[in-house]
Amino acid sequence: NAGVMQNPRHLVRRRGQEARLRCSPMKGHSHVYWYRQLPEEGLKFMVYLQKENIIDESGMPKERFSAEFPKEGPSILRIQQVVRGDSAAYFCASSPQGIGETQYFGPGTRLLVL
Amino acid sequence: TQLLEQSPQFLSIQEGENLTVYCNSSSVFSSLQWYRQEPGEGPVLLVTVVTGGEVKKLKRLTFQFGDARKDSSLHITAAQPGDTGLYLCAGLSGGSYIPTFGRGTSLIVHP
Repeated sequence: NAGVMQNPRHLVRRRGQEARLRCSPMKGHSHVYWYRQLPEEGLKFMVYLQKENIIDESGMPKERFSAEFPKEGPSILRIQQVVRGDSAAYFCASSPQGIGETQYFGPGTRLLVL
Repeated sequence: TQLLEQSPQFLSIQEGENLTVYCNSSSVFSSLQWYRQEPGEGPVLLVTVVTGGEVKKLKRLTFQFGDARKDSSLHITAAQPGDTGLYLCAGLSGGSYIPTFGRGTSLIVHP
């Protein structure tokens, strides 16, 4: 059973570039969640998506950040014009249903902005 | 904003020792989860507790949910180097699908 897959595992970008983070949920899971983990901070919720729908983006910065989960293919978290403060570990989790279901986390993408 | 405070923040012990880490809040949660995160990996769910006063055991790990469902503890007996990792607690409030995470306790067990 393949777990949640994220790529790339490590991503280096210069200030002003775009970062694209991909997440393939577990087989049979149609709900995806993105979290950000900063050093010495807990995991912070960013956005919750179902196929082709954003359900809750209350944790996502209003500017430069966007997320999608198309009908086919992985979920994408896009960060435009990255700044050094965007450096963090970004985790994706998936669940088979939504509310009340256990979320299974991927290995994360470590983004470093130079 | 609901906050989960975890203590201690760091813990370094020798193999064979016992330890307890804590997760405290002023808010009531409908359930509370414990995760372990190893360096370079994502969190892995260890247990979910839902009933006040509930105690769950997972081999050498004992999890307890406070009677008022505001706090929880994780006790590890005879710690092993393989227990090394970041232990995160996460609380869920009724009707919410997004857990609130604590900052974690970073545990190192030396052989």
